[in-house]
Amino acid sequence: DVKVTQSSRYLVKRTGEKVFLECVQDMDHENMFWYRQDPGLGLRLIYFSYDVKMKEKGDIPEGYSVSREKKERFSLILESASTNQTSMYLCASSPWAGAGELFFGEGSRLTVL
Amino acid sequence: RKEVEQDPGPFNVPEGATVAFNCTYSNSASQSFFWYRQDCRKEPKLLMSVYSSGNEDGRFTAQLNRASQYISLLIRDSKLSDSATYLCVVNTFYNFNKFYFGSGTKLNVKP
Repeated sequence: DVKVTQSSRYLVKRTGEKVFLECVQDMDHENMFWYRQDPGLGLRLIYFSYDVKMKEKGDIPEGYSVSREKKERFSLILESASTNQTSMYLCASSPWAGAGELFFGEGSRLTVL
Repeated sequence: RKEVEQDPGPFNVPEGATVAFNCTYSNSASQSFFWYRQDCRKEPKLLMSVYSSGNEDGRFTAQLNRASQYISLLIRDSKLSDSATYLCVVNTFYNFNKFYFGSGTKLNVKP
């Protein structure tokens, strides 16, 4: 069965802390994505990656960075967490450009105090 | 203007009812279309892809209207277990595989 695994389901951090969210997929997919989901706003793309060490900004990259050192792993980094980054973070992968289904991890619910 | 727009609902229907959702998209170059289902506090999961000719999967039927730039989802004989949020998702190949999500339509099926 296909699997996208996010490292933490629930995190509580303090303002100013550095936060790492890890995502691993076992499907050999080229494309990986980080979204955040907020009530009334739907899913918004933060960053995506179409190959190892390649990354593209999504719609809301400010305050975030990403790392893709290996094909199966895509990390989201909050350099200095702020309260407005309290959200559900969803990682996803897809097998090819243009027509592939998105496979999601279970999500990481981050609260920044 | 949003790339993908959906009526947020909620749609409250009795068991056994037929319910339909529509979703409009703004980019005429969109190529791939999907309906995802998301249960409360869970990740979205693919319900069905939407093909130009329309497609059916059991009680679920999806249609695409390129001329009017909308897709629809019809659920027949609604079950309690159909209660969820249904997300319309659109993909434009040339834009590096970016997927555009509607904000979702909430369905509540009541006994």
